[in-house]
This record gives sequence, structure tokens and C-alpha cells, in this order.
Amino acid sequence: RKEVEQDPGPFNVPEGATVAFNCTYSNSASQSFFWYRQDCRKEPKLLMSVYSSGNEDGRFTAQLNRASQYISLLIRDSKLSDSATYLCVVNGEDSSYKLIFGSGTRLLVRP
Amino acid sequence: EPEVTQTPSHQVTQMGQEVILRCVPISNHLYFYWYRQILGQKVEFLVSFYNNEISEKSEIFDDQFSVERPDGSNFTLKIRSTKLEDSAMYFCASSNDEAFFGQGTRLTVV
Repeated sequence: RKEVEQDPGPFNVPEGATVAFNCTYSNSASQSFFWYRQDCRKEPKLLMSVYSSGNEDGRFTAQLNRASQYISLLIRDSKLSDSATYLCVVNGEDSSYKLIFGSGTRLLVRP
Repeated sequence: EPEVTQTPSHQVTQMGQEVILRCVPISNHLYFYWYRQILGQKVEFLVSFYNNEISEKSEIFDDQFSVERPDGSNFTLKIRSTKLEDSAMYFCASSNDEAFFGQGTRLTVV
């Protein structure tokens, strides 16, 4: 089983749509969870951390289900500028400094 | 806003040559990382560095790779004898909790 698994997509949605990405991770000892965004040939940029209680930042909502080892990202009211690859990132294990990246889910928002 | 800076942005080298990729992490961060991304593939962990020593490394980080923090600001990745398959984007990152990435060095081995 891959350490961090994501649907590669692409998700092709119209502007204004709501889209959800899912991610599963294999190490039950992982403690830190993040969503990063990566534009083509650019560095990954932190979108948001994911907290146990779930958290929201504007149009973006992240949720964590530790029992199922599952993380989600919901984007509401998609904009053209949301088109990118979304990376699910998990730390290796409790107190590990290693961040493990999923392969990413590609999102295309069309006019 | 503080940022991680990397130099050079692009390096072309001949197979077998040594390269040094440089990074200046965010100044108050304690943890440093190197990642690589081969074109079209996922971001892969190479090494993490804390308290002036390697804390973790991946299988990719073999004897041809080394890291150093030669002074209080720089963090370098050396590849001793480059191979064609080392061609990739190399990202440096630093963190205290959330990791921030530099813009990367595109290494092309010919």
C-alpha cells in the first residue's frame, strides 16, 4: 500500500462548482497533515494544515478522519485560478521530520 | 514575508561531474529538507536535517549525496558524480511545523 494515496484525476469542473479531493495514508502514527498546491513546474505551496476537528479557510475546507486514515479537501465556488495539482502531505510517523507527499490530484477549472 | 531561496535556478552539468545546490532556509526554522521531483512524477523525500545532522534519509539518498550546513544560513546538497537519472527539480524546504519550499533548482545532467 502506498504511504499516501490520492486519485490522480484530472478533475475537470466548471467555474463555481464544488469539488472534493480525498487522500488516504498508511501510517497510523502520523500526526501532521497538510494540503499543498503545486502549479506546473513550480514549488509546492502550503494551502492549509489539517486539524483533527476539521478546519476552513475561505472556500477551502479540510477534514481528517484518523480512524479511517483519510483526509479530504473541499473547494467551493471554484475559480479558474484554482487549477493546479493538489498534494496531500503527511508526516512519516510520530515526531518524524519527514513529510511524505501523495502523487497529487490535478484540478482543471474551465470557464 | 520570509522565504526559502535556492540557487541556481537551473544547472546543466555533464554526467560524472559534481554539483552543489544551495539553499537559504527561513532564518528561525530548525528543520531542513531536500526533495526532488522528476518531471511528471511525484515529489520525493531525500533527506531531513536537524540540529546539524541528518535526521532521516530515503533510499534515494545514497553515498553520492551529501548535505551540509556550512554556516548559519546556507544548507547545501552535493551530488558527487551525477548520473542522467539525477535530472530533476530539487526543492529545499524548511520548517518548524509547516514546511515552506524554495522555488527549486532544475538540474539537467547531459
